[in-house]
Amino acid sequence: DTEVTQTPKHLVMGMTNKKSLKCEQHMGHRAMYWYKQKAKKPPELMFVYSYEKLSINESVPSRFSPECPNSSLLNLHLHALQPEDSALYLCASSPEHTGELFFGEGSRLTVL
Amino acid sequence: SQQGEEDPQALSIQEGENATMNCSYKTSINNLQWYRQNSGRGLVHLILIRSNEREKHSGRLRVTLDTSKKSSSLLITASRAADTASYFCATDSTGGFKTIFGAGTRLFVKA
Repeated sequence: DTEVTQTPKHLVMGMTNKKSLKCEQHMGHRAMYWYKQKAKKPPELMFVYSYEKLSINESVPSRFSPECPNSSLLNLHLHALQPEDSALYLCASSPEHTGELFFGEGSRLTVL
Repeated sequence: SQQGEEDPQALSIQEGENATMNCSYKTSINNLQWYRQNSGRGLVHLILIRSNEREKHSGRLRVTLDTSKKSSSLLITASRAADTASYFCATDSTGGFKTIFGAGTRLFVKA
């Protein structure tokens, strides 16, 4: 199994809602990542988990809250988002902390 | 923060022609990677070149790395309409953990 699975594919939420994005991989990878991508822009790193511990937080606002319940799962909890947070949110994993990233198809988030 | 800059920003060629994309970066790296992204989809890893390598081939792809100039190029030979996508270079810093993407080149291959 060489897939990274992200759910939901599409999410529309209001600014007062609480929602979560989910990511799952069964490749035994020890590093997992959240990226944010706006239209026609490169992916921007948000968070890195290594061995289920948060290793990097790229100064992301606290309305985004990551969680790594186990080595296969990565969540991104969303609360009180702004319309400018609308973007494609990409999850990725890698066998080690450097090298090839395996990406999911992304969750397209729209904040109204 | 963005590590790499790519040029051109957009490239339009005929099927069968070669496409060359360039990437420059700023800091010391462990490796440099190239990814492809079809519109609105996830990124797909194409090739990785380590900092001690100068050239690498994979099928119709050829990547070069010049660490003295902090630059890399991706050549796609005999392009096909299916190669139409955005291409990003990405660098892993020597500390690891951070894979940072360049601005990307949008390639359009006309059939």
